[in-house]
Amino acid sequence: QITLKESGPTLVKPTQTLTLTCTFSGFSLSANGMGVGWIRQPPGKALEWLALIYWDDEKRYSPSLKTRLTITKDTSKNQVVLTMTNMDPVDTATYYCASRRSGSESFDYWGQGTLVTASS
Amino acid sequence: QSVLTQPPSVSGAPGQRVTISCTGSSSNIGAGYVVHWYQQLPGTAPKLLIYDNTNRPSGVPDRFSGSKSGTSASLAITGLQAEDEADYYCQSYDSSLSGWVFGGGTKLTVL
Repeated sequence: QITLKESGPTLVKPTQTLTLTCTFSGFSLSANGMGVGWIRQPPGKALEWLALIYWDDEKRYSPSLKTRLTITKDTSKNQVVLTMTNMDPVDTATYYCASRRSGSESFDYWGQGTLVTASS
Repeated sequence: QSVLTQPPSVSGAPGQRVTISCTGSSSNIGAGYVVHWYQQLPGTAPKLLIYDNTNRPSGVPDRFSGSKSGTSASLAITGLQAEDEADYYCQSYDSSLSGWVFGGGTKLTVL
């Protein structure tokens, strides 16, 4: 059974750096074809893809946010970490991590999401 | 404003068939990139409904089907049920943006 869960602060101040951790079980990120991505959703708005890390440590970022994002993995801990620098109120959103379906660029299992508010 | 355009809302009566469109361009759907569909029930995380244009993950009822033609894709839901009331999102890859993109979402209301 594959599960993912996001953790991190619920409130950050503008200009601060956000660090989110995705802890997963039921698969190994060292297995060929696997990946974990981050997607966010501002309140009442659409989904937005942020970043993706593959089993071979290849990393992909949203071009519009690339300068602010860093994604890393710790295979031994079954964790993926996303950092976003220079937070702004427009970054207020529910942040989801999700597993990449092997052989597809779809996200087949999702965490419950964590609401992050950027406000002073 | 998303590069994948979906109607903001669709509706249908129980038992009816509805379709949700996802219109892209030559840099995403029209370039041959596959389309995936997600269902998001109120207050929950998205759930993968259709992957790679037409495939259903295990456990997804065959009332849900996907298709793709040219620069557009569609999600069809037959035998509409009250539990289908949700937001639906399409996803694809865009070569000009060098990343994955989601549609703006469609709210399905079961009358």
